[in-house]
Amino acid sequence: NAGVTQTPKFQVLKTGQSMTLQCAQDMNHEYMSWYRQDPGMGLRLIHYSVGAGITDQGEVPNGYNVSRSTTEDFPLRLLSAAPSQTSVYFCASSLAGATNTGELFFGEGSRLTVL
Amino acid sequence: GENVEQHPSTLSVQEGDSAVIKCTYSDSASNYFPWYKQELGKRPQLIIDIRSNVGEKKDQRIAVTLNKTAKHFSLHITETQPEDSAVYFCAARGYSTLTFGKGTMLLVSP
Repeated sequence: NAGVTQTPKFQVLKTGQSMTLQCAQDMNHEYMSWYRQDPGMGLRLIHYSVGAGITDQGEVPNGYNVSRSTTEDFPLRLLSAAPSQTSVYFCASSLAGATNTGELFFGEGSRLTVL
Repeated sequence: GENVEQHPSTLSVQEGDSAVIKCTYSDSASNYFPWYKQELGKRPQLIIDIRSNVGEKKDQRIAVTLNKTAKHFSLHITETQPEDSAVYFCAARGYSTLTFGKGTMLLVSP
């Protein structure tokens, strides 16, 4: 199993550009999520999904869009990039369902810089 | 929503000493409390977790304790080694999402 795969690993954007961070998992996990990590701020939840066709907002959803058309894929779209979106982004998935506990498996991260 | 506070933000110890990191949470419905270790430039990885029906759990040199009444949980690392140097995150799961603390940078000096 490859686990959770994120692409790209690094990206530089100009303000106003749009882009999509890709995330795929091959563990048949129902739960998938996107976090951003900023110095001193920990990991903050952007969006999450408890199954195909279902998405919901996390703590910091503004400026981001997600969709979940398949169990495997959970792309994160930046609609109009802003310097405040410069961060490291982690995709993570879990075997457990919405109301259960379960280990969260993280991708390697995507470092995004917005100029 | 859930709010997780983590202290200290930085912890420096000598090799062989013990290290303790403390977290508090706000949502009494939270029932799962994992700890993640993140080495520099790497992804967070689970090192230990505890569920709300358990007060303490140990795995070799690491242990976690949970006080549900006080909404506190702590990570204890004994006999620290230089390879324990990393950022540690506590987290709490409520209804469906995992909320993380801001992290503790642990530095273990030889």
